[in-house]
Amino acid sequence: AQSVAQPEDQVNVAEGNPLTVKCTYSVSGNPYLFWYVQYPNRGLQFLLKYITGDNLVKGSYGFEAEFNKSQTSFHLKKPSALVSDSALYFCAVSRQDTDKLIFGTGTRLQVFP
Amino acid sequence: DARVTQTPRDKVTEMGQEVTMRCQPILGHNTVFWYRQTMMQGLELLAYFRNRAPLDDSGMPKDRFSAEMPDATLATLKIQPSEPRDSAVYFCASGSLVPNTEAFFGQGTRLTVV
Repeated sequence: AQSVAQPEDQVNVAEGNPLTVKCTYSVSGNPYLFWYVQYPNRGLQFLLKYITGDNLVKGSYGFEAEFNKSQTSFHLKKPSALVSDSALYFCAVSRQDTDKLIFGTGTRLQVFP
Repeated sequence: DARVTQTPRDKVTEMGQEVTMRCQPILGHNTVFWYRQTMMQGLELLAYFRNRAPLDDSGMPKDRFSAEMPDATLATLKIQPSEPRDSAVYFCASGSLVPNTEAFFGQGTRLTVV
C-alpha cells in the first residue's frame, strides 16, 4: 500500500524568508515522489519529481525538494518565498512498478508581504 | 501545447439525476486517473486506467459510480443516481509509466448536486 502524509494543514511565512513544506511517505519498494501546486479554481500543476539519482531535486519557480530515504521524507523548499507562492501544495507518491499515484491531503502555504 | 481537457467545467444537477463527466487525455499518454477533491477528504483517487484497461477502482463507490475508456481519446466518469454528497471537484489526469512522465491534470469539473 502507498500513503503520503503532509502533517501541516497550513504554513505561514514572510516574503523573503525560506519556506519548507513537509511530506513523508510510505511505500514498499522504490518510491517515485512528486510535488504539485494548485491555485484557486485551477487544476494541479507539476512542480518537481524524484525518480532516481541525486537526492536534491530542483523544479519550477525556484522550488527544490530533498529525498531522504532513511526518514522517508520529501520536503519541499524554497530559499526565498514570494507572495505569489501562496497556494495549495500536494505531495504524491507512486512506485517503480506501478503508476498508481496517491496524494497527500495538501498544505496551504500563505506568504505574507 | 498538450493538455488534458475536461468537460463540462461546471455542472449543477438535481439529486437522482445521471451525471457524465468527460476527459480527453494527452495524446500518447497511456495512464488516466480520476480524482475527487473535497475540503474534508482532500484529493482521493477514484479509479485509474492503463492502456484503457481499469487497474484500480477501489476508491470508487461501486453502486453509483462507473468509469470507462471507450477509446484512447476519451475517459468518462458517470454517477447514477447522483446525491448531494457527490458534490465535489472531479479531476482527470493523464501520464505515462514509461518514461516516468508526471501526471498532467485537467481543469476539473465542479459538480453540485442539489
